[in-house]
Amino acid sequence: GAGVSQSPSNKVTEKGKDVELRCDPISGHTALYWYRQSLGQGLEFLIYFQGNSAPDKSGLPSDRFSAERTGGSVSTLTIQRTQQEDSAVYLCASSLLAGGSYEQYFGPGTRLTVT
Amino acid sequence: GESVGLHLPTLSVQEGDNSIINCAYSNSASDYFIWYKQESGKGPQFIIDIRSNMDKRQGQRVTVLLNKTVKHLSLQIAATQPGDSAVYFCAENPAGTALIFGKGTTLSVSS
Repeated sequence: GAGVSQSPSNKVTEKGKDVELRCDPISGHTALYWYRQSLGQGLEFLIYFQGNSAPDKSGLPSDRFSAERTGGSVSTLTIQRTQQEDSAVYLCASSLLAGGSYEQYFGPGTRLTVT
Repeated sequence: GESVGLHLPTLSVQEGDNSIINCAYSNSASDYFIWYKQESGKGPQFIIDIRSNMDKRQGQRVTVLLNKTVKHLSLQIAATQPGDSAVYFCAENPAGTALIFGKGTTLSVSS
């Protein structure tokens, strides 16, 4: 079946502009996660959604970052007033349920470059 | 803060050798660990996982070992192939939700 998809695959933007990154999780998965991967680094947790519960935003680096998940499916990560340090690969993952041994399936990521 | 890390950033092996990738974790509350493989331009791909009530788990050509006494995790790949070349991350799931990843080990397999 279809895996996690993300769009765009690449995004180049100028410093100060806003960007929106999209994630389509696997159908039926109730948990959705956003991670950020900077060059040569491991993945850094940003935010996660589980069903209709309030999202866990504890990983968001600043108030310029926000995310929403509409209808329990598609999610959008928004970065306002982008800075050069925001340049990274943004990865989305979904799992059937949150927690425990529910495998997180990752999308291919969106490579964001802020010039 | 507590985090999961890896001992070596790079590992180079010959095709057919066995590879061992190590990881040290610091969160004693973690009870679930995962190894991911990430190829260039792709998202991480699940390889194998292990719960803290186990010391060893085997998959196809891969084995994960967990030593809770010293908080050490390792991934063993048997008969390493060029297709195994990738970045390998260990991750822990202490709070049961978001994963905490290490920085990764780049495995290079030469023919």
